[in-house]
Amino acid sequence: KNQVEQSPQSLIILEGKNCTLQCNYTVSPFSNLRWYKQDTGRGPVSLTIMTFSENTKSNGRYTATLDADTKQSSLHITASQLSDSASYICVVSRIYLKGGSYIPTFGRGTSLIVHP
Amino acid sequence: EAQVTQNPRYLITVTGKKLTVTCSQNMNHEYMSWYRQDPGLGLRQIYYSMNVEVTDKGDVPEGYKVSRKEKRNFPLILESPSPNQTSLYFCASSFSQVPNEQYFGPGTRLTVT
Repeated sequence: KNQVEQSPQSLIILEGKNCTLQCNYTVSPFSNLRWYKQDTGRGPVSLTIMTFSENTKSNGRYTATLDADTKQSSLHITASQLSDSASYICVVSRIYLKGGSYIPTFGRGTSLIVHP
Repeated sequence: EAQVTQNPRYLITVTGKKLTVTCSQNMNHEYMSWYRQDPGLGLRQIYYSMNVEVTDKGDVPEGYKVSRKEKRNFPLILESPSPNQTSLYFCASSFSQVPNEQYFGPGTRLTVT
C-alpha cells in the first residue's frame, strides 16, 4: 500500500533553533518527493523537490535530504523564525503506468510552532 | 499575477443540494487537480486532469464529478452533497503532467448539513 508517514506529528521549538522533520514512504514506483509548507488557512507552497538521483537540496534555510534506498527523507530548518510556524507536508509521487501520469500521496504533515 | 483562484471560499449547504466549486488558473498549466483536506488525514486527491477533456480519478472520487472543457478551468461538482463531504477543498495546477511544482488555490471550506 502506498503510504507516507511523517514524524513528529507536532513540534514546538524556540526561535533561532534548528529542527529536523522526518518522512518515511512506501510509495512505488517512485517518481519524486516534495516538501510543502502550509500556513494556517492557506494552500500548500512547494519548498523543494527531489528525484531518485538527488540526495540533498536546499532552499534558503530549508534543506531536504533523500535516501531512496531506505525510503526516507528529512527536512532540516536552520535558525528558525516565527514565520516558520506552519504545517510541513511530505508528498511522494508515483508513476501511474496506465496513463503515464503521476499520482501524489500526501503525508499528514508535521505541525511546527516556533515560539519567541 | 500568476495564481489559482477558487470560488466560493466558504459555503454552507444542505444535504442533496447540487453545488459547483469553480477553479481557474492563469498560468496555461496542463495539469489540474482537486484535493480534500480533513483533520488528521492530510490531503487526498479527488480527481485530476492532464489536459482538456482528459480527466481521471484520484484516491477519493466517490460523490464528485469534474469537467475540463477549457484549459484554465476545472470545476468540482457535487451532485448530491452529503455531510461526509464537509471538508476543506483545494484546487491545484502544474505546468505539465511531469511532476513540476503544483500551485494551490486558497481553498474552499464546505459545510454540508
